[in-house]
Amino acid sequence: QKEVEQDPGPLSVPEGAIVSLNCTYSNSAFQYFMWYRQYSRKGPELLMYTYSSGNKEDGRFTAQVDKSSKYISLFIRDSQPSDSATYLCAPQRGGGSNYKLTFGKGTLLTVNP
Amino acid sequence: NAGVTQTPKFQVLKTGQSMTLQCAQDMNHEYMSWYRQDPGMGLRLIHYSVGAGITDQGEVPNGYNVSRSTTEDFPLRLLSAAPSQTSVYFCAARQGPTGELFFGEGSRLTVL
Repeated sequence: QKEVEQDPGPLSVPEGAIVSLNCTYSNSAFQYFMWYRQYSRKGPELLMYTYSSGNKEDGRFTAQVDKSSKYISLFIRDSQPSDSATYLCAPQRGGGSNYKLTFGKGTLLTVNP
Repeated sequence: NAGVTQTPKFQVLKTGQSMTLQCAQDMNHEYMSWYRQDPGMGLRLIHYSVGAGITDQGEVPNGYNVSRSTTEDFPLRLLSAAPSQTSVYFCAARQGPTGELFFGEGSRLTVL
């Protein structure tokens, strides 16, 4: 079983839609849960992250972690064409054993005007 | 701020040729890594370094060498290029064992 599984999509939605992006993971040692956004022909950039279980909100974006089910979600409200990108989840261990950072395969999102 | 700089941005090689992808960072971060990104495969870790003089293998190290003589630079060497190494390569840097990973813009390599 891979450490991180992410539906690659692609996902196409109309402008203004609510988007739900999801990952599952297998390693109980993961403590930090990051989402990176990658625009076409660019390097990934950190969008937001949460520590342990719970929700974190940043503007139109909400990251949610359920450690009991090993499920990570990113919600985008009022989606905009500028949100069109690939979104990668990246759970991490804590402490000094976190050098082999693993990413999900990424979900390609297109928001249509 | 420059952050992580990769050169070249594009390169075409013939099978069997060797080359070096350059990566430099100006953030004084100890941790640096190289990933390759292929359609349907996501980002896969090739090699990483936790400081000058210290390197280790990632998930897909075969066919690649790295060295870390300074904090700033982390070059990736392809010893004898193969078509399977056609990919987009990303260099990344991070301050410590956790936290944000800063990526370069990528180097697109085609091996004919």
